[in-house]
Amino acid sequence: QKEVEQNSGPLSVPEGAIASLNCTYSDRGSQSFFWYRQYSGKSPELIMSIYSNGDKEDGRFTAQLNKASQYVSLLIRDSQPSDSATYLCAVTGNQFYFGTGTSLTVIP
Amino acid sequence: GAGVSQSPRYKVTKRGQDVALRCDPISGHVSLYWYRQALGQGPEFLTYFNYEAQQDKSGLPNDRFSAERPEGSISTLTIQRTEQRDSAMYRCASGPLGGANYGYTFGSGTRLTVV
Repeated sequence: QKEVEQNSGPLSVPEGAIASLNCTYSDRGSQSFFWYRQYSGKSPELIMSIYSNGDKEDGRFTAQLNKASQYVSLLIRDSQPSDSATYLCAVTGNQFYFGTGTSLTVIP
Repeated sequence: GAGVSQSPRYKVTKRGQDVALRCDPISGHVSLYWYRQALGQGPEFLTYFNYEAQQDKSGLPNDRFSAERPEGSISTLTIQRTEQRDSAMYRCASGPLGGANYGYTFGSGTRLTVV
């Protein structure tokens, strides 16, 4: 079992809709959780971090964490074509693990 | 520096040659990670350092791969006797002490092609 699992997609949503990205992790001892955005041919860029159960909002982005279910999600409200990218979930355990990423396309 | 700097940006080498990839982290960043990323995949952990100490090298694929950070700043990832399967994007990320709690900043990567 991989440390971090993501649905690779691709996920397509129309402009203005909510995009929902999901991630599960295996290490119950994990303390910190991150979402990175990676545009094609570019480096991953940190967009959200979350440490406690519940929701954390930052602009159009909301991260949700459920440690009991070992589940992290990212919601993008009012999706824009510029949000089209691969979204990587990252979790700290013994190292800093990444999932394989979910490809999101926002259709104008 | 202002960001994480990696060099070279691109490296083409012949099979069997040794290569050295360099990472210059953000000034003051204590933690430094090396990842390898294949096309369409997430970053795959290779190794990491806190200061000059290599904390974990369990992700290095085999003994042809090694890394060092002798003065706790610049790090070098060395691949000996390169093989075609080593072709990938190699990424470095750095963070402050406790960076595991705040996330890490990536450099632009080195695209390695072994021919």
